[in-house]
Amino acid sequence: GAGVSQSPRYKVAKRGQDVALRCDPISGHVSLFWYQQALGQGPEFLTYFQNEAQLDKSGLPSDRFFAERPEGSVSTLKIQRTQQEDSAVYLCASSLAGTSRETQYFGPGTRLLVL
Amino acid sequence: GESVGLHLPTLSVQEGDNSIINCAYSNSASDYFIWYKQESGKGPQFIIDIRSNMDKRQGQRVTVLLNKTVKHLSLQIAATQPGDSAVYFCAENGAGNQFYFGTGTSLTVIP
Repeated sequence: GAGVSQSPRYKVAKRGQDVALRCDPISGHVSLFWYQQALGQGPEFLTYFQNEAQLDKSGLPSDRFFAERPEGSVSTLKIQRTQQEDSAVYLCASSLAGTSRETQYFGPGTRLLVL
Repeated sequence: GESVGLHLPTLSVQEGDNSIINCAYSNSASDYFIWYKQESGKGPQFIIDIRSNMDKRQGQRVTVLLNKTVKHLSLQIAATQPGDSAVYFCAENGAGNQFYFGTGTSLTVIP
């Protein structure tokens, strides 16, 4: 497809379970971002990749959160030992080049509910 | 960290009227701003952007105004339509590659 895609769209996990969220960016886009969006709030930055390099992970809330983009295209956000406070929408965005002054295009998000 | 906030959390307008959504930002070093529209169950959708060397930019039915003196951004939607009902976010890109988003304004268009 032409846009950013994410899977699964919905995920229900039991507390303590590990989850993996996938992002397929727009083909050819160098930069990839992960954001977390709590209900009624704006997206909050988690981490940023330029190709396969993770250049900024300052927004990851704990060491239970891990992201990778091994071949510089598809990215996976993994959350280990999920907690109820991890319940949120996880958004992926991509942008064409590696500059910091360009539009980020968002996917539909994965809605994670931890019970 | 940076702070991007919105003055009005909700806005209701009559169909056909013009809408104005406001946003305040705190980082005077920010030089790129984007307005996003987010419908329920969807990701943010790009509407329009503006760089700090401009004070106004127009798109189709939308205009963004930037006042760097008071660090204020606004989105004007002309002839608002029911399909414009959504949450609108302003976002700024400061020193890094991430964007900082405000809380959002929920726009409801009354037919």
